[in-house]
Amino acid sequence: DTAVSQTPKYLVTQMGNDKSIKCEQNLGHDTMYWYKQDSKKFLKIMFSYNNKELIINETVPNRFSPKSPDKAHLNLHINSLELGDSAVYFCASSQYGGRGEKLFFGSGTQLSVL
Amino acid sequence: DAKTTQPNSMESNEEEPVHLPCNHSTISGTDYIHWYRQLPSQGPEYVIHGLTSNVNNRMASLAIAEDRKSSTLILHRATLRDAAVYYCIRYSNDYKLSFGAGTTVTVRA
Repeated sequence: DTAVSQTPKYLVTQMGNDKSIKCEQNLGHDTMYWYKQDSKKFLKIMFSYNNKELIINETVPNRFSPKSPDKAHLNLHINSLELGDSAVYFCASSQYGGRGEKLFFGSGTQLSVL
Repeated sequence: DAKTTQPNSMESNEEEPVHLPCNHSTISGTDYIHWYRQLPSQGPEYVIHGLTSNVNNRMASLAIAEDRKSSTLILHRATLRDAAVYYCIRYSNDYKLSFGAGTTVTVRA
């Protein structure tokens, strides 16, 4: 049973479209995250949520709107997609969000904007 | 902002130990040192973490200098499956694990 699962694995779309990526964790964790890995392979944190509340927003454009319907889910909706949004997006979770905890990552969603 | 310094790349032979250095000279007393790795086309994977004492688990060992300004990740016997990018992270702020460039480890058969 996959601990952190994201769908879809691949997403190809046109500029200007709106798309969503879903993430679910079955670990009973309180904290979930979204990361973006660009073509240069740098991993950047985008958002952190704890118990459905936004904790960290790393100056991400407001075209990106995360939504957490419950603790186990953190979905990422992206409006008006741009070429620069092409990247691999990773969801992750940790127990409470503290520095002494490990993060569990999903396998990623490769987004290609044409 | 990971605020750590790692070599860009390292090579190792299969079955031999790998020592991956990391410098975090500006670390504060409450910062944890985390290591993650990312295999090709996969998500990052937790390896090990520590605060002050050396740590061991089934994947690796973490040796932390007494002054905590540096640490070394030790893979005891490298296998081809250990070829990955290894990230040393100074975890300073709760909820915000920030990655740097990492060390690309190549394992020769």
